[in-house]
Amino acid sequence: NAGVTQTPKFRILKIGQSMTLQCTQDMNHNYMYWYRQDPGMGLKLIYYSVGAGITDKGEVPNGYNVSRSTTEDFPLRLELAAPSQTSVYFCASSYSGPEGQPQHFGDGTRLSIL
Amino acid sequence: GESVGLHLPTLSVQEGDNSIINCAYSNSASDYFIWYKQESGKGPQFIIDIRSNMDKRQGQRVTVLLNKTVKHLSLQIAATQPGDSAVYFCAENRAAGNKLTFGGGTRVLVKP
Repeated sequence: NAGVTQTPKFRILKIGQSMTLQCTQDMNHNYMYWYRQDPGMGLKLIYYSVGAGITDKGEVPNGYNVSRSTTEDFPLRLELAAPSQTSVYFCASSYSGPEGQPQHFGDGTRLSIL
Repeated sequence: GESVGLHLPTLSVQEGDNSIINCAYSNSASDYFIWYKQESGKGPQFIIDIRSNMDKRQGQRVTVLLNKTVKHLSLQIAATQPGDSAVYFCAENRAAGNKLTFGGGTRVLVKP
């Protein structure tokens, strides 16, 4: 199984440009998440989704948008890129259920805004 | 706000010795905890988890201890190997949607 796949792995954007970070999972997980990780720091939740057609904000949603049209895909959109959005972006997925479940992560997209 | 934190940012350990990584959490309502390992250039990799109805859980060379009285979580790695060099994160689950709150991470450096 591929697990969680993120594309692209690296990207450089100019200030004001926009782009979409792609994330797909093949584990039939209902829950999906987007995090950002700044150098030497932990992960901060940007957006999450508990199923197709349902998304909600996390801790740091400003400057980002998401959609969830299928169970497998959860793209993250950056509009009007800013230097503060330079970071490593991780997508994750997990099973749903009343009890906690481990989240499974992709290998990230390293994004630089210049 | 409430958060998960770590006591030590960097831990140097001799190869073959045991490692202990500590984590404090502040929300007594948290009911599920996870340890992740992150190698350079990779995403976090699940190591072991524990639910709040347990005090201890063992995996292969790893043990997680949960002390709910003092809101403390630890990860013990037995016979630390060079491949254990990485950043380790603890995370807690206390919200709907299986959302996790991550600590800041501890870097483990294994000396040969």
